[in-house]
Amino acid sequence: SQQGEEDPQALSIQEGENATMNCSYKTSINNLQWYRQNSGRGLVHLILIRSNEREKHSGRLRVTLDTSKKSSSLLITASRAADTASYFCATDANKGIQGAQKLVFGQGTRLTINP
Amino acid sequence: ETGVTQSPTHLIKTRGQQVTLRCSSQSGHNTVSWYQQALGQGPQFIFQYYREEENGRGNFPPRFSGLQFPNYSSELNVNALELDDSALYLCASSPWIGEKLFFGSGTQLSFL
Repeated sequence: SQQGEEDPQALSIQEGENATMNCSYKTSINNLQWYRQNSGRGLVHLILIRSNEREKHSGRLRVTLDTSKKSSSLLITASRAADTASYFCATDANKGIQGAQKLVFGQGTRLTINP
Repeated sequence: ETGVTQSPTHLIKTRGQQVTLRCSSQSGHNTVSWYQQALGQGPQFIFQYYREEENGRGNFPPRFSGLQFPNYSSELNVNALELDDSALYLCASSPWIGEKLFFGSGTQLSFL
């Protein structure tokens, strides 16, 4: 079963615009991660935000986390054609170093940037 | 480039056969995880190995098994293949539990 739910499922915008994707989850977490996947191949890690953090930035990416609402958002500013991909949020509920890190992924948002 | 390589890239099998997928992680990455991604879905956790021992498993039957070797390579074995096993299989590694994952490009398993 998938804990995370991304919204929207698909998003199409013009190059240069900002893209916002949302993720909701159900149980308490240790951290939440965002990944990008091009054309159904391997996933690339974008940002990891821990449960005691509220916001993180990396280049044109901004991630927020609201643990009270069990939600996160990924903002991509000044989008480029190369940003076209599927974006997944993944939650990690493991709070120790002994148990397995079982990332639970949502179904993803398909982002298309039109030139 | 994540430093994680998987082979083969594609596999075509028939129902009932057995398959072995291989992964080579970055040196120093003590954990390796395997995920199954069906078409149009997010990846689903199969299991994780930490220092050559399985330390967690998702909702997959015992016919899914794995191995992790001291040289940072690992295998996913699937016996008695079923049509529902058709998916992209992703290997991911990290230096420690709880950190970001480095994914390989995956092995696409299809059926005749």
